[in-house]
Amino acid sequence: DVKVTQSSRYLVKRTGEKVFLECVQDMDHENMFWYRQDPGLGLRLIYFSYDVKMKEKGDIPEGYSVSREKKERFSLILESASTNQTSMYLCASSDTGLGDYGYTFGSGTRLTVV
Amino acid sequence: GEDVEQSLFLSVREGDSSVINCTYTDSSSTYLYWYKQEPGAGLQLLTYIFSNMDMKQDQRLTVLLNKKDKHLSLRIADTQTGDSAIYFCAETEDSNYQLIWGAGTKLIIKP
Repeated sequence: DVKVTQSSRYLVKRTGEKVFLECVQDMDHENMFWYRQDPGLGLRLIYFSYDVKMKEKGDIPEGYSVSREKKERFSLILESASTNQTSMYLCASSDTGLGDYGYTFGSGTRLTVV
Repeated sequence: GEDVEQSLFLSVREGDSSVINCTYTDSSSTYLYWYKQEPGAGLQLLTYIFSNMDMKQDQRLTVLLNKKDKHLSLRIADTQTGDSAIYFCAETEDSNYQLIWGAGTKLIIKP
């Protein structure tokens, strides 16, 4: 079974803190994604990466950055957390051709910024 | 850009069939997916259909694809309380590694 593991299920941080959300996948997938999910807005793509050290902006990259130093790990960084970044964050990975398997998701990190 | 649309809510009685609908604009779609998200959890792949098929059945799940109308549906027979979740429709072109997502339909089961 492909596993995508997000380091924390729940996180509470203070406004202005630097926040790291970690995601690790164990199936040698090329592509990794970070989404945020808010009620009524569905999934919004923050950043994605199709190779080590490569990153592409998604639809809502402002206030975020990412790092992919190793193929299996994709980190999302909130440089200075703000209350409007309170959300559910979902990491996903996929092989080069999506085919029958699509994306595999982690369990999500619910981040609250106070 | 390409778009995928779903209604936000569907309410059905336990034991009835649920039909969740999705429309998309990408005429080059090759794979279409249904994902399920239970409360507080990530998304899990429920089923998929390849664009050269018009129907796929898997136990209580039936996926229907109308390519001409760009319409995808997911039918859940004999809906149970464990089917309460948000259901996301997504599509892709095979050459593209990105999925285009619908906003998700929350399925509410009434006793």
